[in-house]
Amino acid sequence: DQQVKQNSPSLSVQEGRISILNCDYTNSMFDYFLWYKKYPAEGPTFLISISSIKDKNEDGRFTVFLNKSAKHLSLHIVPSQPGDSAVYFCAASKGSNYKLTFGKGTLLTVNP
Amino acid sequence: DGGITQSPKYLFRKEGQNVTLSCEQNLNHDAMYWYRQDPGQGLRLIYYSQIVNDFQKGDIAEGYSVSREKKESFPLTVTSAQKNPTAFYLCASSNPDELAKNIQYFGAGTRLSVL
Repeated sequence: DQQVKQNSPSLSVQEGRISILNCDYTNSMFDYFLWYKKYPAEGPTFLISISSIKDKNEDGRFTVFLNKSAKHLSLHIVPSQPGDSAVYFCAASKGSNYKLTFGKGTLLTVNP
Repeated sequence: DGGITQSPKYLFRKEGQNVTLSCEQNLNHDAMYWYRQDPGQGLRLIYYSQIVNDFQKGDIAEGYSVSREKKESFPLTVTSAQKNPTAFYLCASSNPDELAKNIQYFGAGTRLSVL
């Protein structure tokens, strides 16, 4: 039972354009959401997060949007840069539970 | 500088052998975690520890064991009972706050292969 789903295994965009990565979840108890970026053979690095009491959080080129009614969140990267090419994981947690539930990831390729 | 150190970077296991993966953190985090990543898959939780001398099974604990004798260390043993151990293993740590913000920070990983 996959509670966090990233339905696009890959995404390719041109440098300077917007990248939009999507994530859907099924568990309505999730109340905190995170995005991680991962390069091959390295550990994931934290990018940005959002609490369920908000619908948008912005940090530089990265913005995360949360639509609770649709159980959907998205990560926008503007403008996209070749160095953004990596696998992006969406993750979710609920309440005081220490566990994060991860999606399978989306490979983003930004072409120069 | 602060961070999470995993060693070794590459590890090979023979049939019937137990191997131990090291994870050390100097971030003064209370909680530590072990994940497994397989190709095309997300991260799956093996074990986690909220505090010293305490740990809980994650979603795929069978064939693995852990200990948490020190705050900064959380070694993972892959036992001979784990029939498919080839994977990329990731250790993480965090300090969940009262708002339940649980940002986990990861090490660089250990790639385990079976000979």
